[in-house]
Amino acid sequence: AQSVTQLDSQVPVFEEAPVELRCNYSSSVSVYLFWYVQYPNQGLQLLLKYLSGSTLVKGINGFEAEFNKSQTSFHLRKPSVHISDTAEYFCAVSPFNTDKLIFGTGTRLQVFP
Amino acid sequence: GAGVSQSPSNKVTEKGKDVELRCDPISGHTALYWYRQSLGQGLEFLIYFQGNSAPDKSGLPSDRFSAERTGGSVSTLTIQRTQQEDSAVYLCASSLGRMGPGMNTEAFFGQGTRLTVV
Repeated sequence: AQSVTQLDSQVPVFEEAPVELRCNYSSSVSVYLFWYVQYPNQGLQLLLKYLSGSTLVKGINGFEAEFNKSQTSFHLRKPSVHISDTAEYFCAVSPFNTDKLIFGTGTRLQVFP
Repeated sequence: GAGVSQSPSNKVTEKGKDVELRCDPISGHTALYWYRQSLGQGLEFLIYFQGNSAPDKSGLPSDRFSAERTGGSVSTLTIQRTQQEDSAVYLCASSLGRMGPGMNTEAFFGQGTRLTVV
């Protein structure tokens, strides 16, 4: 079985500060990794994904994430956040040879002016 | 359509009644997912359809929950004898195909159906 842990339920940060949203996973098989974002009153949309190759992946809106296999982590980072980044961020995994997407509980990023 | 469409957007029902939630995936998408989003619980996987394969029902919380997908397109999630703990936002997503390098792996989500059981 697989599980995804997002330890921080809320992350408050001031505008233009850097941010890291943590994601750890547990799986007995290899997985693909994703971050999805849900802006207020909107549906979820893909932010970035890791399938293979370089462990540092870049997504939309200046976000990036690094896959660390030894630590089973896929933390999301942005060097300088904007007010518009205020949203709920979900980490997800998909085990190899399945198409199931398993999500974490989400992290609410609140950016203050 | 342009995106995943779910109906109704809001549903208030009395405890014990049955409800049906509908999902219209993006045309041509073979994979369809149902999730439940509750406050503080993240997205709870419910069921997954892929083409003509048997659905993965491992996430359905009880036998009151069922889902079908007719003709490989529209899906209906049915909750029988609703309980207050069923109150949540039910999200549907679809994707073009299998996961993996070189494949289209993005799942597109609908706006959800907010179910309130009173």
